[in-house]
Amino acid sequence: DQQVKQNSPSLSVQEGRISILNCDYTNSMFDYFLWYKKYPAEGPTFLISISSIKDKNEDGRFTVFLNKSAKHLSLHIVPSQPGDSAVYFCAASAPGTYKYIFGTGTRLKVLA
Amino acid sequence: DADVTQTPRNRITKTGKRIMLECSQTKGHDRMYWYRQDPGLGLRLIYYSFDVKDINKGEISDGYSVSRQAQAKFSLSLESAIPNQTALYFCATSDRTGGPTGELFFGEGSRLTVL
Repeated sequence: DQQVKQNSPSLSVQEGRISILNCDYTNSMFDYFLWYKKYPAEGPTFLISISSIKDKNEDGRFTVFLNKSAKHLSLHIVPSQPGDSAVYFCAASAPGTYKYIFGTGTRLKVLA
Repeated sequence: DADVTQTPRNRITKTGKRIMLECSQTKGHDRMYWYRQDPGLGLRLIYYSFDVKDINKGEISDGYSVSRQAQAKFSLSLESAIPNQTALYFCATSDRTGGPTGELFFGEGSRLTVL
């Protein structure tokens, strides 16, 4: 059973516009969420995180929103740039487990 | 030099062969993880270790074993490789204190093909 779901396998966005990547989870015990970006032939790299005590966290062009009641989080990239083209994974962790469950990923393509 | 190093980066082997993927890190982290990536399935946790004497199974441990030889080294073994173990394998580390984010740091991956 997939506890962390990314229902959109791919997304295309024009350069300069907003990219919105979505992630849903089923385990209400998850209290920490991360987004990773992965380029081909490289390992995933950390992008941004959010704790369940917050509903928003911002870092430059990247903002993550958390809706606990809906068990949903989203990553907003504004403005999108061609270099943002990559696969994005969301991940979640429950308290005290120190392990992360990943979603299936969304491939973002930013068109110049 | 990478903080998390995986060897080999690419390996082709035959069904039934024993394969070991090695991971070493210079970050001084206590926690180490092995994940595999498959198309459409994302990253799935195979095994994780919080210190040399602590090994835990992840979501998909069947067919795999691990060894934590030292704080800095964590190896993944396939005792008898089968074709559905063809995947991209990632090692990752995390700091015990969690840092400000508790994030995972990944190696560059080991692509394994089992014929």
